[in-house]
Amino acid sequence: DGGITQSPKYLFRKEGQNVTLSCEQNLNHDAMYWYRQDPGQGLRLIYYSQIVNDFQKGDIAEGYSVSREKKESFPLTVTSAQKNPTAFYLCASGRDETYEQYFGPGTRLTVT
Amino acid sequence: AQSVTQPDIHITVSEGASLELRCNYSYGATPYLFWYVQSPGQGLQLLLKYFSGDTLVQGIKGFEAEFKRSQSSFNLRKPSVHWSDAAEYFCARSNDYKLSFGAGTTVTVRA
Repeated sequence: DGGITQSPKYLFRKEGQNVTLSCEQNLNHDAMYWYRQDPGQGLRLIYYSQIVNDFQKGDIAEGYSVSREKKESFPLTVTSAQKNPTAFYLCASGRDETYEQYFGPGTRLTVT
Repeated sequence: AQSVTQPDIHITVSEGASLELRCNYSYGATPYLFWYVQSPGQGLQLLLKYFSGDTLVQGIKGFEAEFKRSQSSFNLRKPSVHWSDAAEYFCARSNDYKLSFGAGTTVTVRA
C-alpha cells in the first residue's frame, strides 16, 4: 500500500526546543517537499529536495532545517530560531517531470 | 513570480446545486495546473490536473475543470454538490520544479 506517512499527527513542544517532524514515502518519488499551512494563507513552501543528498530553500526556510539521506525520508527540524512555529505541516512527494505532488496527512505542531 | 489567485475565500452552496470555484494564474509558458481538496485536519488530495490537450479535464468525485488560456483561468466545477464536498479547495500551478498554490476556497454545503 503506497503512500506518504507523517508522524506524529499532533506534536507539542515548549518554546526554545528543537523538534523534528518525520516524513516517509514508499512511492519511489525523487522529489520531496515540506509546506507550512496557516489559516487563510494557503500552503507555503519551506524546503524541497529533488534528489538524495540535495535540497533547496523554499519561500520561508528561516528557522527550519532538513536532510535527505535516503530517497524515502525527508525529516524537517523546526528550530528554536523559528519565531512562530505553531502551524500545520504538510509533507509531499512527486516526480519532477509531471509536477504532481502527493501529500501526507500532516502534523499539527503546537509550541507554547 | 508565477502566482495563483483564488478570488473567493468562502462559498456556500445548497446540496444538489452546482458549484464553480474560480482560479486565475499568472501567465507563464505551458503551465501545468492542478486542483486539490483538503478536508479539515487532513492532507491534500489531488482532484484533477491539466498538462496539455483537451481543455476540459475530468477528475475524481465528479469534478471537472476547464482551462482557458485567453482568460488565464482554470475553474473547477461540479454539477451537483453533495454534503461530503464541504472542504477547502486549492488551485496550483507549476513553478520551476515546484508548485505555487492559491490561498484556497472554503466550501460550505447547506442542507
